[in-house]
Amino acid sequence: DGGITQSPKYLFRKEGQNVTLSCEQNLNHDAMYWYRQDPGQGLRLIYYSQIVNDFQKGDIAEGYSVSREKKESFPLTVTSAQKNPTAFYLCASSRDLGDEKLFFGSGTQLSVL
Amino acid sequence: SQELEQSPQSLIVQEGKNLTINCTSSKTLYGLYWYKQKYGEGLIFLMMLQKGGEEKSHEKITAKLDEKKQQSSLHITASQPSHAGIYLCGARGVGSQGNLIFGKGTKLSVKP
Repeated sequence: DGGITQSPKYLFRKEGQNVTLSCEQNLNHDAMYWYRQDPGQGLRLIYYSQIVNDFQKGDIAEGYSVSREKKESFPLTVTSAQKNPTAFYLCASSRDLGDEKLFFGSGTQLSVL
Repeated sequence: SQELEQSPQSLIVQEGKNLTINCTSSKTLYGLYWYKQKYGEGLIFLMMLQKGGEEKSHEKITAKLDEKKQQSSLHITASQPSHAGIYLCGARGVGSQGNLIFGKGTKLSVKP
């Protein structure tokens, strides 16, 4: 079945540590996105990618980094510079950047130890 | 910048009752999307509205976009426990390059 897979489901970060969240899709979509969801805050865009080897900052990119070496994969690294990383992270994809029907993964809950 | 405001923030209804959730944009909407999220999971696409006055239905859920294209409502008829979750509206941000902006969501609980 085609879909978008995020892993792990739960992740714990120690202070000063970088952690990487995985996002893989087999929908053959060009565009991929990372959103952060905090309780009562809705979704905020961290990074998005229109095509392989290209990505753009979203509204809250500071303290995060991404790569897009393959069409199927769009990993997100939460760096030690992100001082408040505890949140629910959602990865999404769409056919292209103009297609607003997004397909979402099941999310990763990141917590700080 | 464009903002989407949803109301109410949360809603508790008795099973079988009807309910309405609203989404109001600070600017004209060029496409309005409704998603549903179960707690701790990803979002599932419900429906998309693009034209002023447009109305779409899926099972017992009906969504409308007003003529001025600045407000949308989501109506659930005869609510069931399976309708429980967080409903989010999304829209293309004005001047964006495909980035969807989202409302903060409406948390719906359905009491059996």
